[in-house]
Amino acid sequence: GAVVSQHPSWVICKSGTSVKIECRSLDFQATTMFWYRQFPKQSLMLMATSNEGSKATYEQGVEKDKFLINHASLTLSTLTVTSAHPEDSSFYICSASGGKPGANVLTFGAGSRLTVL
Amino acid sequence: AQKITQTQPGMFVQEKEAVTLDCTYDTSDPSYGLFWYKQPSSGEMIFLIYQGSYDQQNATEGRYSLNFQKARKSANLVISASQLGDSAMYFCAMREGRSYNTDKLIFGTGTRLQVFP
Repeated sequence: GAVVSQHPSWVICKSGTSVKIECRSLDFQATTMFWYRQFPKQSLMLMATSNEGSKATYEQGVEKDKFLINHASLTLSTLTVTSAHPEDSSFYICSASGGKPGANVLTFGAGSRLTVL
Repeated sequence: AQKITQTQPGMFVQEKEAVTLDCTYDTSDPSYGLFWYKQPSSGEMIFLIYQGSYDQQNATEGRYSLNFQKARKSANLVISASQLGDSAMYFCAMREGRSYNTDKLIFGTGTRLQVFP
């Protein structure tokens, strides 16, 4: 139980295009999902907190218009990188809470590697 | 100031030996949680162990144990009987506050562990 699926696992796109990454909780309802970004050989940096039915809360320095987050249902959050540029190339990971009632563990997706040419 | 500090960028250990990965943290919140995650080359984040700030005993999960020294603000991970499959990046993370639904994880910079035969 408590599985989070991310899709696509990797994507290559041209500069200027937009890319959507999906994060789904497969067997539980996730009221809150978190989006992280990880550059090569670096740590995970929280980008935003996504709550179902409300606007996402972005961390300082993260462009809201650049990284659009939608959490329309209790099992799906999406991250759209708009007008992607090579500097947006990174590993994006989502995590979800609510997988294990009473537990303290967030469940992570397997990540999505974005390469912008 | 760094909230989570991992001072070892890389560690080597021989198979079947024990290894300690260091983690120190900084918080003024009396309620917090400490996590260790393993990230193999595939990128997924695998939960290993959790320690709550009010937990009286050090957490253990199979071959993983957490050496929690509250006064020193350290939460070192001990891996006993290392296996080749333990080779990966290891991240220490902290959640401030009680609720995993609303509080985010702050990650350290990670330690790359290499297990050799």
